[in-house]
Amino acid sequence: DAGVIQSPRHEVTEMGQEVTLRCKPISGHDYLFWYRQTMMRGLELLIYFNNNVPIDDSGMPEDRFSAKMPNASFSTLKIQPSEPRDSAVYFCASSSGLAGADTQYFGPGTRLTVL
Amino acid sequence: AQSVSQHNHHVILSEAASLELGCNYSYGGTVNLFWYVQYPGQHLQLLLKYFSGDPLVKGIKGFEAEFIKSKFSFNLRKPSVQWSDTAEYFCAVNGGNTGFQKLVFGTGTRLLVSP
Repeated sequence: DAGVIQSPRHEVTEMGQEVTLRCKPISGHDYLFWYRQTMMRGLELLIYFNNNVPIDDSGMPEDRFSAKMPNASFSTLKIQPSEPRDSAVYFCASSSGLAGADTQYFGPGTRLTVL
Repeated sequence: AQSVSQHNHHVILSEAASLELGCNYSYGGTVNLFWYVQYPGQHLQLLLKYFSGDPLVKGIKGFEAEFIKSKFSFNLRKPSVQWSDTAEYFCAVNGGNTGFQKLVFGTGTRLLVSP
């Protein structure tokens, strides 16, 4: 298995631009998670999906952030408009909920820099 | 609110020294516990996990952790560290009243092993 795939790996953009981050979960996993990692705040859960449906988006910082999962093999996290304080590493993770409490597998992350 | 505490933010050791990283959580009831490692420039990888059974859990690369329910702790140990163990280590918990899909991470411990 290729593991969780994220693209792009690095993104540099200017303030005010739209940014779209992409994630392909591990095949067969029915949970997908988006995290943000910064030096100041550590790892924060932004949102997670179960069977393509958003379950908990309480970690999404504000309306500029949105996430979608149109099918079981693809999810996007969009920031519009982007701001310098959004600079962080964004991780996607997936898990199988068969056991009710399974391990999350992380992707390589997207390092976002907003100038 | 639920929380996970990692008391040591930075640890510096020489090769062959023994390692113990502390992790405490604030949940009551049934929890699952994890240790993830993030090598420089890489994504999070699972080191070990505890769901039930023997409270002493052995993971990859010679790491182990002990779940002590009475102390709400899940400390990570390794008898003899190597330079290649230089990384950031995250303790994480799910369960309790946040449910079993939502992982809460500690702030991480940066380990530097000098050769």
